[in-house]
Amino acid sequence: AQKVTQAQTEISVVEKEDVTLDCVYETRDTTYYLFWYKQPPSGELVFLIRRNSFDEQNEISGRYSWNFQKSTSSFNFTITASQVVDSAVYFCALRGYNQGGKLIFGQGTELSVKP
Amino acid sequence: ETGVTQTPRHLVMGMTNKKSLKCEQHLGHNAMYWYKQSAKKPLELMFVYSLEERVENNSVPSRFSPECPNSSHLFLHLHTLQPEDSALYLCASSPQSRDGEETQYFGPGTRLLVL
Repeated sequence: AQKVTQAQTEISVVEKEDVTLDCVYETRDTTYYLFWYKQPPSGELVFLIRRNSFDEQNEISGRYSWNFQKSTSSFNFTITASQVVDSAVYFCALRGYNQGGKLIFGQGTELSVKP
Repeated sequence: ETGVTQTPRHLVMGMTNKKSLKCEQHLGHNAMYWYKQSAKKPLELMFVYSLEERVENNSVPSRFSPECPNSSHLFLHLHTLQPEDSALYLCASSPQSRDGEETQYFGPGTRLLVL
């Protein structure tokens, strides 16, 4: 069975703080793909990153960084120097190899960044 | 227009009404998806179309009827819905589903309220 757990339901920080959103996954596939999406209040899911299971390099994109650790089945997302515009619900998702379109989403973490 | 668009953005309907949700993608993709997002629940995949053929139907009640006339358009026909069907309905598209690597891009969603 495949599963994604985002244990943090809500996080509230003050602007300029760093914040890490946790994502833990379960899969029996040896090849799989992990994703992060952002859902602002407007509702649209915005794609942030895709990571393949065979590529454990961490990635940085501006203020965003991702830490992929196969040993702990985690794919955590850090926002550095958070801004009010980062306020949104963030979803981690998993798709196994040859699973067609089946993306398994976590429950989401609602991030609130206060000025 | 670019990306994935959905109409209407908001819909209120009675349980005896018939309505349709429309999704259009301008990304040259040939796989399209319907998801349901209810409050406090993870996103649920409803249907997958690949090259206009339905390849996945996740035990969705028959009061939801999808239609994919071509690779750019996807419809969700609704009839005799229940109040618990009230949710945000998200459409997504991706390159043809292969081994799971392809990224899905989402529209802004239709927020549906069934009275």
